[in-house]
Amino acid sequence: DAGVTQSPTHLIKTRGQQVTLRCSPKSGHDTVSWYQQALGQGPQFIFQYYEEEERQRGNFPDRFSGHQFPNYSSELNVNALLLGDSALYLCASSLLETGRNTEAFFGQGTRLTVV
Amino acid sequence: AQKVTQAQTEISVVEKEDVTLDCVYETRDTTYYLFWYKQPPSGELVFLIRRNSFDEQNEISGRYSWNFQKSTSSFNFTITASQVVDSAVYFCALSGNTGTASKLTFGTGTRLQVTL
Repeated sequence: DAGVTQSPTHLIKTRGQQVTLRCSPKSGHDTVSWYQQALGQGPQFIFQYYEEEERQRGNFPDRFSGHQFPNYSSELNVNALLLGDSALYLCASSLLETGRNTEAFFGQGTRLTVV
Repeated sequence: AQKVTQAQTEISVVEKEDVTLDCVYETRDTTYYLFWYKQPPSGELVFLIRRNSFDEQNEISGRYSWNFQKSTSSFNFTITASQVVDSAVYFCALSGNTGTASKLTFGTGTRLQVTL
């Protein structure tokens, strides 16, 4: 049973460029969340997708956008990259059950470096 | 707003020592969930435990134990007889139950270094 897979593992981009990160959730999971983890910090919630719609969003600018596909996989897009966007981007998948909060399983992340 | 505080930035212990990682949380939700995750150098967050706000029973899993006290808004994690493999960054996290979806609010993490 494959866990959460993310691609690519590492990425180097130049300021002003755009980037797309990809995530395949754990088998059987229908919800994908994205987190940004700066060096030495805890992960910060970016947004969450369920049924191909953004359900919740953290305090991130519109430069951060996402998409969920019918097979539950997801993409995170960041436009007009800034040096401060350099971080580990983590994808988490879970199974949505109304009234419960199931545990989230995380991928190994994509380390984005903006130069 | 939700907040998680892990006041211990880094802890160093010698193998076989017991160590407790502190976690204090703030939330206005009456129903909420608390989590601990382990992050080894590979970067992946490994789920350790989930506890809901109505269950204050302490839990033990092998060398790991958790102490949840609503009165002090704390959810502390103890590793008994620590091992070198326990070296990692440990995160405490909190989520509410807003109906259809929820998000995790993480603390800043505690780096645990276990040496021989």
